[in-house]
Amino acid sequence: KNEVEQSPQNLTAQEGEFITINCSYSVGISALHWLQQHPGGGIVSLFMLSSGKKKHGRLIATINIQEKHSSLHITASHPRDSAVYICAVRKTYFGTGTSLTVIP
Amino acid sequence: GAGVSQSPSNKVTEKGKDVELRCDPISGHTALYWYRQSLGQGLEFLIYFQGNSAPDKSGLPSDRFSAERTGGSVSTLTIQRTQQEDSAVYLCASSLGPAGGLYEQYFGPGTRLTVT
Repeated sequence: KNEVEQSPQNLTAQEGEFITINCSYSVGISALHWLQQHPGGGIVSLFMLSSGKKKHGRLIATINIQEKHSSLHITASHPRDSAVYICAVRKTYFGTGTSLTVIP
Repeated sequence: GAGVSQSPSNKVTEKGKDVELRCDPISGHTALYWYRQSLGQGLEFLIYFQGNSAPDKSGLPSDRFSAERTGGSVSTLTIQRTQQEDSAVYLCASSLGPAGGLYEQYFGPGTRLTVT
């Protein structure tokens, strides 16, 4: 069993749709990270959260420490949101990523 | 300001050769991480440096891999006697404070290593 599980693995959405990516983890943590990786590009940290909810523009991340679960939401999705989204805990455990494609 | 830089951006080497990959973290960042990402695979932790503490080498896949961080700044990842399975993108990241704390990680662009 992986310490970090993400779902779905792949997601295709129409532009404007509301998107949710889920992450469950089995280890104790002080913070959880959401990362974004564009095709052929580097990795950008989107969020680091230890409790509750954070919002940056159209992106929202939530975490429930008791349930060991986090979600990443994208409101009004856009083709430029197409990327792989990765959930990470501690420095060693990464989800396998969710590949998002937003179609115009 | 300058982000995390890595060099070279691409490296092609013959099986059995040694390679050195360099990472320049953001100035003032005490923590430095090395990861690798094989084609179509997820991120894999390799090694972690924090200040003057002994590095966490728990992710190094074999004794052919080693890394050092000089003066708390630049880091070099060395792979000896490269094998084809070492082909991957090697990523470096840094953060202002230690792993486990509420410090954002900043990733470099990576070095794409191809072993022929």
